Amino acid sequence: DAGITQSPRHKVTETGTPVTLRCHQTENHRYMYWYRQDPGHGLRLIHYSYGVKDTDKGEVSDGYSVSRSKTEDFLLTLESATSSQTSVYFCAISGTQGFYEQYFGPGTRLTVT
Amino acid sequence: AQSVTQPDIHITVSEGASLELRCNYSYGATPYLFWYVQSPGQGLQLLLKYFSGDTLVQGIKGFEAEFKRSQSSFNLRKPSVHWSDAAEYFCAVVKSNFGNEKLTFGTGTRLTIIP
Repeated sequence: DAGITQSPRHKVTETGTPVTLRCHQTENHRYMYWYRQDPGHGLRLIHYSYGVKDTDKGEVSDGYSVSRSKTEDFLLTLESATSSQTSVYFCAISGTQGFYEQYFGPGTRLTVT
Repeated sequence: AQSVTQPDIHITVSEGASLELRCNYSYGATPYLFWYVQSPGQGLQLLLKYFSGDTLVQGIKGFEAEFKRSQSSFNLRKPSVHWSDAAEYFCAVVKSNFGNEKLTFGTGTRLTIIP
């Protein structure tokens, strides 16, 4: 299995609070991604990174920001959490092939009350 | 825009029976196609991929998929399912042009196995 960890694995937070999710990889892969998974929607890309300090938006980026200061870490921040951001968040990585052959972390279940 | 459709939300099959999960894509050129599996509470695992060449691709866990350009389909098959195959299955596509590629997922098919 690809060396990808996510923390925390579960979090409950209140509306309006900031939340940061962490993705850590040991594969030295260039590309990292954040997805959210919701019933009936499959997985949707939030943000992705193609190198240290290089990030771009996905299809559902509103309300989220990301940072990547090291190859191995990709942070997803909800500046002010809303109930619509209750979801399961997955981090993924891929190597030189860009968006091809992505490998996924175990996920973080976030509940915003 | 590229898209992926998995028409079956939920499928139930008996253990030992054959399985086919449907996936249709909409994209003009040859796409890169994937099947992923997600067991309950887990992340997604890559089952198989199609980039070019032989249209019948073999994957892990005894799965295979066939790319049919004329039908814009990439259906997943297994000749005999096991109880451990119960999971959710996602088809995904990346267009084969360079630059600004995005991996687009279908909404998934949940597979239930009955004894």
